[in-house]
Amino acid sequence: EPEVTQTPSHQVTQMGQEVILRCVPISNHLYFYWYRQILGQKVEFLVSFYNNEISEKSEIFDDQFSVERPDGSNFTLKIRSTKLEDSAMYFCASSLGHGETQYFGPGTRLLVL
Amino acid sequence: GENVEQHPSTLSVQEGDSAVIKCTYSDSASNYFPWYKQELGKRPQLIIDIRSNVGEKKDQRIAVTLNKTAKHFSLHITETQPEDSAVYFCAVGGYNKLIFGAGTRLAVHP
Repeated sequence: EPEVTQTPSHQVTQMGQEVILRCVPISNHLYFYWYRQILGQKVEFLVSFYNNEISEKSEIFDDQFSVERPDGSNFTLKIRSTKLEDSAMYFCASSLGHGETQYFGPGTRLLVL
Repeated sequence: GENVEQHPSTLSVQEGDSAVIKCTYSDSASNYFPWYKQELGKRPQLIIDIRSNVGEKKDQRIAVTLNKTAKHFSLHITETQPEDSAVYFCAVGGYNKLIFGAGTRLAVHP
């Protein structure tokens, strides 16, 4: 059964550094999402992406965040200048269509020191 | 924006008992209501979902009920087993995103 994959599984970075989190959505899916989960808290929506454009973003997704689909398979989340409060698990998800079931990747645990 | 309330935050049951988790939401335009199970350090896994044109859906020991008028939906797990122990999240979907509840930590004791 196809799954969403994410790399790296863990990333440790210094405050102020840029990080890029990578995701490979399920191959025939057209809608892509990023969520984050601070330790012990709920999953929070960051951004949705379709047809090479952001469809919707949350208040968390400020100018420090950007997303890109650089080729036909990868979907990336970039944080330009990381802050301590960016430490969280970041999940990528994808869905076949609009409002369809979202399948989550295994996550990247980001720790900002 | 959409607000999702989930109760209880923790639930402890004996093996074989039933467990019920409830969620309420605020946006009447929401039309998709999935439930995810998350084990420690793992990804959220979809266990069941329901759309707004259906009032109830069942899959073996798991069922979900939806009351669109009252804007609440519930997860029912019957004959609980120790492997059901996890955090369960309800979510509410519109077109472009899921809004999650705060989660319920379910512990099933043998």
